[in-house]
Amino acid sequence: GENVEQHPSTLSVQEGDSAVIKCTYSDSASNYFPWYKQELGKRPQLIIDIRSNVGEKKDQRIAVTLNKTAKHFSLHITETQPEDSAVYFCAASTVGGGADGLTFGKGTHLIIQP
Amino acid sequence: NAGVMQNPRHLVRRRGQEARLRCSPVKGHSHVYWYRQLPEEGLKFMVYLQKENIIDESGMPKERFSAEFPKEGPSILRIQQVVRGDSAAYFCASSRQGHQGDTQYFGPGTRLTVL
Repeated sequence: GENVEQHPSTLSVQEGDSAVIKCTYSDSASNYFPWYKQELGKRPQLIIDIRSNVGEKKDQRIAVTLNKTAKHFSLHITETQPEDSAVYFCAASTVGGGADGLTFGKGTHLIIQP
Repeated sequence: NAGVMQNPRHLVRRRGQEARLRCSPVKGHSHVYWYRQLPEEGLKFMVYLQKENIIDESGMPKERFSAEFPKEGPSILRIQQVVRGDSAAYFCASSRQGHQGDTQYFGPGTRLTVL
């Protein structure tokens, strides 16, 4: 099955700086890659996603890039703000037979230092 | 995504009891997914259901766990004879369509504690 690795597990950046979180996946047939943000005790919330027919997608301060050849994708947050502090999860879709469960990375705890 | 409802939000059970978790998807969504999250871990896929059908239960333990999504009413995740290792947050998500790449919206989760 699919395996998603996520790095780093913890990332501390100064407010206003950029943050980058990287994920790799194993199943070359995966073609959907969402990113979720989870604040302590809250539900995961989708912040951005990318499909394999594009290489990059932006939404204001957030961008995601995808390299299908290398099987990795990254989340970029620019001009970080205190409210960006949370755990971020990358995920990849599983394939075939109606199996639509997402395979998640273990998460990155992003800490924005004031 | 605020439309996915789960209850109860917190559930405490003693070892050997049954836990029943409920999930009401976003209105108009007919696809439900259950995930388990252990402390400091990512979410692990358990089961994917459409109305009255289990489509993929590859992530769900074969014993003690079952799930259903009846024609009427919420989806139910049932854990029989709970053990301490079942303590976790259980999230459900829903999507409008089940094809690969359809956005999944998560509920607030049920935090199960087994004493």
